[in-house]
Amino acid sequence: GNSVTQMEGPVTLSEEAFLTINCTYTATGYPSLFWYVQYPGEGLQLLLKATKADDKGSNKGFEATYRKETTSFHLEKGSVQVSDSAVYFCALRDSTQGAQKLVFGQGTRLTINP
Amino acid sequence: EPEVTQTPSHQVTQMGQEVILRCVPISNHLYFYWYRQILGQKVEFLVSFYNNEISEKSEIFDDQFSVERPDGSNFTLKIRSTKLEDSAMYFCASEKSGTRGTEAFFGQGTRLTVV
Repeated sequence: GNSVTQMEGPVTLSEEAFLTINCTYTATGYPSLFWYVQYPGEGLQLLLKATKADDKGSNKGFEATYRKETTSFHLEKGSVQVSDSAVYFCALRDSTQGAQKLVFGQGTRLTINP
Repeated sequence: EPEVTQTPSHQVTQMGQEVILRCVPISNHLYFYWYRQILGQKVEFLVSFYNNEISEKSEIFDDQFSVERPDGSNFTLKIRSTKLEDSAMYFCASEKSGTRGTEAFFGQGTRLTVV
């Protein structure tokens, strides 16, 4: 079946550090890949997505590239801010029609210290 | 900006009691979902709902769970007889279409505590 594996957390960095959160996936078809973020006390929000191989999703300085050859979708940001502290979830959706579920990784809690 | 709204934000219930978790999806969305997250674990799919019927359900979604869209706006999750292991954060989500690149919009969640 489909699955997503994320880098274990928690991750603690200093402001302006470089961030990578690893995500790899297993899927039977051609999935779309997503990063969702959950800020404290809030619901899940879409951060970025990519729908086919070699696509790069980007938003708020974050980037992730859909790598089919390594089945990965690592999240990166060049210079993190305190406001980036949140839980980050990698997810995939693998189907062609109908109401299809998201399959999530376990989430990575990120804390940025000033 | 339209958003998915869930109530209550926190519910405490005694084991064996029935609970109803409520969600108001975004108004022009057609696909609806419930997910849950047990503390420290993955966000897990429970059920998807389209055209007034269940499209898919997980093995977690057994006979004690049911969903309903009673009035065209609310989308509810009922747990008939709660167990301690039902304690989790429950997220409702909605989306305009069910294609694989579509963004799902999530509510802020209901934290259910079964005592």
